[in-house]
Amino acid sequence: SQTIHQWPATLVQPVGSPLSLECTVEGTSNPNLYWYRQAAGRGLQLLFYSVGIGQISSEVPQNLSASRPQDRQFILSSKKLLLSDSGFYLCAWSLAKNTEAFFGQGTRLTVV
Amino acid sequence: DQQVKQNSPSLSVQEGRISILNCDYTNSMFDYFLWYKKYPAEGPTFLISISSIKDKNEDGRFTVFLNKSAKHLSLHIVPSQPGDSAVYFCAASARSGAGSYQLTFGKGTKLSVIP
Repeated sequence: SQTIHQWPATLVQPVGSPLSLECTVEGTSNPNLYWYRQAAGRGLQLLFYSVGIGQISSEVPQNLSASRPQDRQFILSSKKLLLSDSGFYLCAWSLAKNTEAFFGQGTRLTVV
Repeated sequence: DQQVKQNSPSLSVQEGRISILNCDYTNSMFDYFLWYKKYPAEGPTFLISISSIKDKNEDGRFTVFLNKSAKHLSLHIVPSQPGDSAVYFCAASARSGAGSYQLTFGKGTKLSVIP
């Protein structure tokens, strides 16, 4: 069966520090991968999606970037965190031709 | 402009009664709709979905109704149980065209089932 792992679960980082959140999927090949952010009162906002290695699409302009160095690995990064980057970050995957997305456990990021 | 709207941020229901969560959308290209359930500090879990060619889909205690002309869908939970207390997200997708696998989410409705 497919599983998705996302870490760390919680993170407190100072303003201006870098960020790296990692997500890996097991049990499937060539999944679509997604990074979402849940901020207070804003629901789930799609940040990035990837349909293959090295292919990244950004949905909203922001202080963040994403990379997909391997088929089942998706990384969310920032060079310098802002206070507004605080939120709950979720990685998700779906099969290429399906719409149902399956989410990781999320990372609670607090920028102080 | 939000394309998927959940206008009720919260809902309280007595255990055993029906919970009705509502969702409206504006994009006529959406043809696939999903409901997700989310507990605090966890990722959302997929609950139930419906294609635009249907007006109802049922799975156990959960039923989703779709009214295409009104661009409205609802999730019914009968009977409601305390374990159903969570945030419920409505999501939509346009399954054809570029980026057809992307989901657009509403802001969520927090359901509290009172024992």
